[in-house]
Amino acid sequence: AQSVSQHNHHVILSEAASLELGCNYSYGGTVNLFWYVQYPGQHLQLLLKYFSGDPLVKGIKGFEAEFIKSKFSFNLRKPSVQWSDTAEYFCAVNPGSSASKIIFGSGTRLSIRP
Amino acid sequence: GAVVSQHPSRVICKSGTSVKIECRSLDFQATTMFWYRQFPKQSLMLMATSNEGSKATYEQGVEKDKFLINHASLTLSTLTVTSAHPEDSSFYICSYSSGRDYLQETQYFGPGTRLLVL
Repeated sequence: AQSVSQHNHHVILSEAASLELGCNYSYGGTVNLFWYVQYPGQHLQLLLKYFSGDPLVKGIKGFEAEFIKSKFSFNLRKPSVQWSDTAEYFCAVNPGSSASKIIFGSGTRLSIRP
Repeated sequence: GAVVSQHPSRVICKSGTSVKIECRSLDFQATTMFWYRQFPKQSLMLMATSNEGSKATYEQGVEKDKFLINHASLTLSTLTVTSAHPEDSSFYICSYSSGRDYLQETQYFGPGTRLLVL
């Protein structure tokens, strides 16, 4: 079945540690890829997106993600996390066959120890 | 980015009553909007897609008679949970699509409405 998988449900890091959150999808063909972040008590915000071009995408707040088509992956990275990065992170895919529909992964809760 | 508001932010109701949730786009006109449901510690599940002036398209497993969607204008969409039951308790989130070309668009999300049915 078509799906979006985030393997880490809860990640706990210390400040300044490096971060990589995994995301894999099972859709074939053209896809648009997103990472959304939900800070405690706030609504979903777009962190970064990939539509085409350079597979290494830079987002806000020092985040980046790399689209590896052969691995159906779109992992999120940040070289040095901060306490303010504590949030829920969602990977999402817009299958090219379904106009506008976005399918979300189950989310990864990131907790940063000060 | 676009600003999306939802009202109310939180609602508690008795079982059997109907609840209406409003979703407004504050700074642009949107022809397409989406309603999601998010259960605790789970991801957003798309419930339905609606286009202004036409009937909503519901995802498999979502009861269209229970979750009524009205997208009467380009800036307002409503979700009515009819005859709500405790299992309908959830976090309901709306979003608007930013553009006409789905290959290049982004969705902007409202703050969500937490529904608790007693």
